[in-house]
Amino acid sequence: NAGVMQNPRHLVRRRGQEARLRCSPMKGHSHVYWYRQLPEEGLKFMVYLQKENIIDESGMPKERFSAEFPKEGPSILRIQQVVRGDSAAYFCASSWTDRYDTEAFFGQGTRLTVV
Amino acid sequence: TQLLEQSPQFLSIQEGENLTVYCNSSSVFSSLQWYRQEPGEGPVLLVTVVTGGEVKKLKRLTFQFGDARKDSSLHITAAQPGDTGLYLCAGEYGGSQGNLIFGKGTKLSVKP
Repeated sequence: NAGVMQNPRHLVRRRGQEARLRCSPMKGHSHVYWYRQLPEEGLKFMVYLQKENIIDESGMPKERFSAEFPKEGPSILRIQQVVRGDSAAYFCASSWTDRYDTEAFFGQGTRLTVV
Repeated sequence: TQLLEQSPQFLSIQEGENLTVYCNSSSVFSSLQWYRQEPGEGPVLLVTVVTGGEVKKLKRLTFQFGDARKDSSLHITAAQPGDTGLYLCAGEYGGSQGNLIFGKGTKLSVKP
């Protein structure tokens, strides 16, 4: 029973390139959440998606960032024209309901480095 | 803006000592979760507390949710080197649908 799978684990991009981060939720989970963790900072919520729907994107920067969770395949967090400040660890979590007392399982994260 | 303040930020103790980590907010949370994160890994859920005044025990770890659901504590008895890690509290407030507010964490080091 595989957990939340994120890939790649490490990603290096030059300034101006695009970064694509993938998240495959646990089997049976249809709710996906993306968080960003900056060095010495707590995790910050970015976006909450269900299959084919963005439910809450209040934590997403208005420009360059987008997320999707298609009917088939993993959830994708896309960052266009990356800048040095985008360097961070990006974590995905999944759960099977959106109830507040339902456990969300986190992946191992993707560490993005912008050079 | 909902904020969770964790204290202390760093804690270095000897094996066998007891410790308490605090998580405080001015906001009321529907639930509060404690996670442990190892370097290079994602957070792993330890416990979820939902009811004000609730106390949950997980082996040597005791978690308490404040009566007003604004604060929580994690107490570790007889700490072991294997307890070393980053402890994060995260709160969920009404209507957020999965939007967890995380504290910055307490970095615990237990020396043998």
